[in-house]
Amino acid sequence: QKEVEQDPGPLSVPEGAIVSLNCTYSNSAFQYFMWYRQYSRKGPELLMYTYSSGNKEDGRFTAQVDKSSKYISLFIRDSQPSDSATYLCAIGGGADGLTFGKGTHLIIQP
Amino acid sequence: DTAVSQTPKYLVTQMGNDKSIKCEQNLGHDTMYWYKQDSKKFLKIMFSYNNKELIINETVPNRFSPKSPDKAHLNLHINSLELGDSAVYFCASSQEWASGSLHTDTQYFGPGTRLTVL
Repeated sequence: QKEVEQDPGPLSVPEGAIVSLNCTYSNSAFQYFMWYRQYSRKGPELLMYTYSSGNKEDGRFTAQVDKSSKYISLFIRDSQPSDSATYLCAIGGGADGLTFGKGTHLIIQP
Repeated sequence: DTAVSQTPKYLVTQMGNDKSIKCEQNLGHDTMYWYKQDSKKFLKIMFSYNNKELIINETVPNRFSPKSPDKAHLNLHINSLELGDSAVYFCASSQEWASGSLHTDTQYFGPGTRLTVL
């Protein structure tokens, strides 16, 4: 079993919809949870960072961590075409530093 | 100002050649990284380095070697390039390093170098 699992998509939703992106992980030693956004032909940029269970909100973005289920989510409210990108979860605190999911390709249809 | 920069942005070369990719960060960070992103967009760490310790992913061929002239730079040298080396290579940096293990601090990525080996 891979340490971090993420559905690659593509996930296509209409503009204005609420988007839910998810990752599962297997290593309970993981303590840090991040979401990166990567536009085509660009480097990943950090969106959200949390180290505890619960929710963290930043504008239209909410990161949710459930350590008991080893499940993390990123919610995007009022989605915009400019949100179309690949979203990578990154989880850390294990022996290998950050472990990235494969990324979910998100398409917001105008 | 660009926080993490890489050159060149694109690199096209023949099999068997030796090439280098440069990375510079102006964030004052202690730790730098190289990642390889394959055609399926999977981002995989290759090296983690600060002035005390180099950690190499055991799956990385020894044709790849990082070189750090100073804290702000970590260059990637690749010898005897192979077709399978074609990918996008990302440099990243983070502020902290915890002794004995990788500290998961926020990493800031460069724009990537698209390497094509013919």
